[in-house]
Parts: sequence; C-alpha cells; structure tokens
Amino acid sequence: DADVTQTPRNRITKTGKRIMLECSQTKGHDRMYWYRQDPGLGLRLIYYSFDVKDINKGEISDGYSVSRQAQAKFSLSLESAIPNQTALYFCATSDLRGATTGELFFGEGSRLTVL
Amino acid sequence: GEDVEQSLFLSVREGDSSVINCTYTDSSSTYLYWYKQEPGAGLQLLTYIFSNMDMKQDQRLTVLLNKKDKHLSLRIADTQTGDSAIYFCAEKEGGKLIFGQGTELSVKP
Repeated sequence: DADVTQTPRNRITKTGKRIMLECSQTKGHDRMYWYRQDPGLGLRLIYYSFDVKDINKGEISDGYSVSRQAQAKFSLSLESAIPNQTALYFCATSDLRGATTGELFFGEGSRLTVL
Repeated sequence: GEDVEQSLFLSVREGDSSVINCTYTDSSSTYLYWYKQEPGAGLQLLTYIFSNMDMKQDQRLTVLLNKKDKHLSLRIADTQTGDSAIYFCAEKEGGKLIFGQGTELSVKP
C-alpha cells in the first residue's frame, strides 16, 4: 500500500462545482503539502501545513482552501472550480529530517479536469 | 518569490551522458535538490547537495554546484532508457521547496 494516498486519482467536473481532493498518509509525518503540476510550469505550492494547527498559503492559494483534519489527513478544496484549475495535483509529506534535507514523499497525483 | 529555471526538454542516445541544468535565485539556499518523476507517478528525491559543496557523486549521478553563478547541474553517466523521466531541480525556502519547471529527458535506443 502506498504511504501517501490521494483520492480521487481522476476527476472530471464542471465549472462552478465544489471539489475536494483528499490525502492521507501512513508515514507519521507532521508536514503536509499540496502542489499542482502544469506542463511547462513545474510544481507550484498551493498550501502547506507543518502540524495539525498550522496552515500556510503557498504561492498560488487563490481559489483553493485546505483542511488538516488530523496528522494523517490533509484535504484540498476548490469551492467553485474553473477551467484553469485543470491540472495534476500532488500531496506530499515530510518529517523534521525532511525539513532539513528537503525530502518530500509524494502521492501518485490526482488529475482534475474542469470543463 | 524565488525562481528556479530549467530547460524543458533534453534528448540523448542510450549510453551517452546527460547533463540537465538549472539556475536559481535564492543565494541563501542551504540545500538544492534533484527530483525524478517517472510517467504516471509522483516525484522521488534523487539526490541533494548542501550549499557548501561544489560536487557530489553517487554512482552514475554527479551534481555540480556553482554558487557564484547560482547554477546547478545533474550529470547522468551511461544514460539508460529507464532514466527517461522528468527531472526537477528545487531549492529550499523557509521550510518548503520551490521547484523548477522540470526537464523531460528522452533516451533513444
């Protein structure tokens, strides 16, 4: 079983719909992140959380919100999806060692298409 | 914010060396990283280098860091078809990572 699990893996939705992407991890890590990947733009950070009571905006947080329900769960919501939010979304985790070495552990991605 | 820049594509023949280049802007970065993304998968850490080092070698991988020019490179010796992937350079900023655009490496037999 994957250590970082994202659901759903694929989703097609319509403009204006609310979407939630979920991430759960069994690694026991405190730090969790949401990135989006677009061709030619690489990975851009949406939100990150260093522990259950900590939520921080990344470089492209507009149009997104997050919830850290537990140490192991970090969900990303699009309140009203729009087509330019079509992308591949990745959840990642790290522990304190990772905070020093930069090792993030990634899920397999959630591909979202907004029509 | 800080920027990390990479060229988007590189094509090499099997057995040749591949060199993937990256430039970054944050001179205070303590660590710089190379991540690999295979098709349909998330990213995995390939290697990293501490900013007080000029070079790091790990089997077929050689990382070179030029702090003066803020230039990082990844050399893959004897490139194999299994090395075909997207390679991301990243720098550390305030406990989070800033990634480049990714370089898609294509290895032709």
